[in-house]
Amino acid sequence: QSALTQPASVSGSPGQSITISCTGTSSDVGAYSSLSWYQQHPGKAPKLIIYDITNRPSGVSNRFSGSKSGNTASLTISGLQAEDEADYYCKSYTTSGTYVFGTGTEVSVL
Amino acid sequence: QVQLQQWGAGLLKPSETLSLTCAVYGGSFSDYCWSWIRQPPGKGLEWIGEIHHRRGTKYNPSLKSRVTISEDTSKNQFSLKLTSVTAADTAVYYCARHMDRKWSFDYWGQGSLVSVSS
Repeated sequence: QSALTQPASVSGSPGQSITISCTGTSSDVGAYSSLSWYQQHPGKAPKLIIYDITNRPSGVSNRFSGSKSGNTASLTISGLQAEDEADYYCKSYTTSGTYVFGTGTEVSVL
Repeated sequence: QVQLQQWGAGLLKPSETLSLTCAVYGGSFSDYCWSWIRQPPGKGLEWIGEIHHRRGTKYNPSLKSRVTISEDTSKNQFSLKLTSVTAADTAVYYCARHMDRKWSFDYWGQGSLVSVSS
């Protein structure tokens, strides 16, 4: 199973909106509503920020939103803040009954 | 509040067996699915496998021949064994809980750095 494809880096100024894409295949991203997003700060464990494409766990800022079209999912961070600077990973369940992560995107706040 | 606390040997020689354990505090153990994930230094996340008390185990095909995930429900713990390690297995290893009836991981352990070097 190949990793889902994400841009290596995305940057934006405080207050701006940025979008991170996550591209897979009809055997993973396109197959289920299982797409989730994780935020990881340096030296920390990943944190779930979006599950089932569009849902936010309790306590996660509504500045984070998700969507999906076909085999590509997207994470949008609106009102970018310094604390959003981190690595972001998408993850999907697959038709093989396994999980595959994205390649990861480093978000920089200029 | 659910907490996952993990431990295990941090330095191994090539060909040895990696062994990690994750203890779950708070919440039900047998009702959830539990996974191991790893992250080589400076690289991305890789799912290793999962265990559910009633549904059994699933493994990443790329690691399946070397991986065993087991559970001890009496202690609310689950464990990872990875045999015949090489330098490529050097990574931070995380345990995680699957969200109830979802495919997402909502609680994570603190991570354990395992280095393989001769």
